[in-house]
Amino acid sequence: AQSVAQPEDQVNVAEGNPLTVKCTYSVSGNPYLFWYVQYPNRGLQFLLKYITGDNLVKGSYGFEAEFNKSQTSFHLKKPSALVSDSALYFCAVRVKAAGNKLTFGGGTRVLVKP
Amino acid sequence: GAVVSQHPSWVICKSGTSVKIECRSLDFQATTMFWYRQFPKQSLMLMATSNEGSKATYEQGVEKDKFLINHASLTLSTLTVTSAHPEDSSFYICSARTDSVNTGELFFGEGSRLTVL
Repeated sequence: AQSVAQPEDQVNVAEGNPLTVKCTYSVSGNPYLFWYVQYPNRGLQFLLKYITGDNLVKGSYGFEAEFNKSQTSFHLKKPSALVSDSALYFCAVRVKAAGNKLTFGGGTRVLVKP
Repeated sequence: GAVVSQHPSWVICKSGTSVKIECRSLDFQATTMFWYRQFPKQSLMLMATSNEGSKATYEQGVEKDKFLINHASLTLSTLTVTSAHPEDSSFYICSARTDSVNTGELFFGEGSRLTVL
């Protein structure tokens, strides 16, 4: 069975500092990896995805993520965090062999302080 | 990106009544839509996969008679919570993929918060 782990429930960072949100996965087969962001009482917004190709993926709002196959990780990063980046972030994985169902991690709450 | 609309965004109902939530893809056709449930401070749990023109596929542990799903057209899927009870109170989110290629990302609705009194 496929699974996603986000080891940190919450990440606190000062505005302007680098932001990293960790994600590791476990699948059988080649993974399709995604990051989504959720603001309070809202749906999820797509940030970026890794399907194949370059391990470094650039997405919306200045976010990027690096696919590391040996470490089975897909950490989300932003060089300089903004207060408006405060939200709930979800990592997700999908594998064709598993019926293409999207499995989410538990979520990481990011708090960017001014 | 593609737009997925959910309605209503919030609803309060009495115990024993049924509530219908609509999910529409506004600028694309979606042969497949997905319904998720999210409890406070928790992740999304896939409830079912809604297929246009056929029966929905429910995840293990989800009562199909409790959560009725109808995918009547390529742009509309509905979730009906039948005989709702307080434990059904939750945030329900739908999503759809823009293309038939399995590498496409999902686009999500804004969610519907259901409160059953």
